[in-house]
Amino acid sequence: EPEVTQTPSHQVTQMGQEVILRCVPISNHLYFYWYRQILGQKVEFLVSFYNNEISEKSEIFDDQFSVERPDGSNFTLKIRSTKLEDSAMYFCASRGDRVNEKLFFGSGTQLSVL
Amino acid sequence: KQEVTQIPAALSVPEGENLVLNCSFTDSAIYNLQWFRQDPGKGLTSLLLIQSSQREQTSGRLNASLDKSSGRSTLYIAASQPGDSATYLCAVRRGYSGGGADGLTFGKGTHLIIQP
Repeated sequence: EPEVTQTPSHQVTQMGQEVILRCVPISNHLYFYWYRQILGQKVEFLVSFYNNEISEKSEIFDDQFSVERPDGSNFTLKIRSTKLEDSAMYFCASRGDRVNEKLFFGSGTQLSVL
Repeated sequence: KQEVTQIPAALSVPEGENLVLNCSFTDSAIYNLQWFRQDPGKGLTSLLLIQSSQREQTSGRLNASLDKSSGRSTLYIAASQPGDSATYLCAVRRGYSGGGADGLTFGKGTHLIIQP
């Protein structure tokens, strides 16, 4: 079965550093998402991306965050200047089209900000 | 603001039992509701998706119901097996005229343990 791939699985960084989390969505999917889950908390929506632009973003997704689809396969989340509170599991997800709404998640990147 | 609550937070039952997980949401203007399974160290797997116009969906031993007006959904697992042990998450997609918002609002989940 096709799957969403995320790299790296673990990322450790110093506070104030920039990080880029990478995702390869399922190849024929059109809608892409980033979610995060702080340890012990709910999964939270960050941003959705369709047709090469952000279609929706949450209050969490402030100016420190950006997303990009640099080529036909990758989808990235950049955090410009990481804070301690950015430590979380970050999940990428994708889905096909308006009819097929089942969401496929990657295994996540565990980001630790020290 | 939509809030999703799941009860119980944790559940441990012997293998073979039927069980029900509960989900409630505060804003009934939803587009759809999904149930996910989350295994440790892994991503989320979509189990069932119910559109706002539907009452239930079934897949194998799983049955999910939706009562939109009362803001409730249940996930019924028949003949539970140790492999069903996982955290089960409920998530709703907000609706508006003409479609649904993109982001899902999740509950905190029910941590389920099936004892062999």
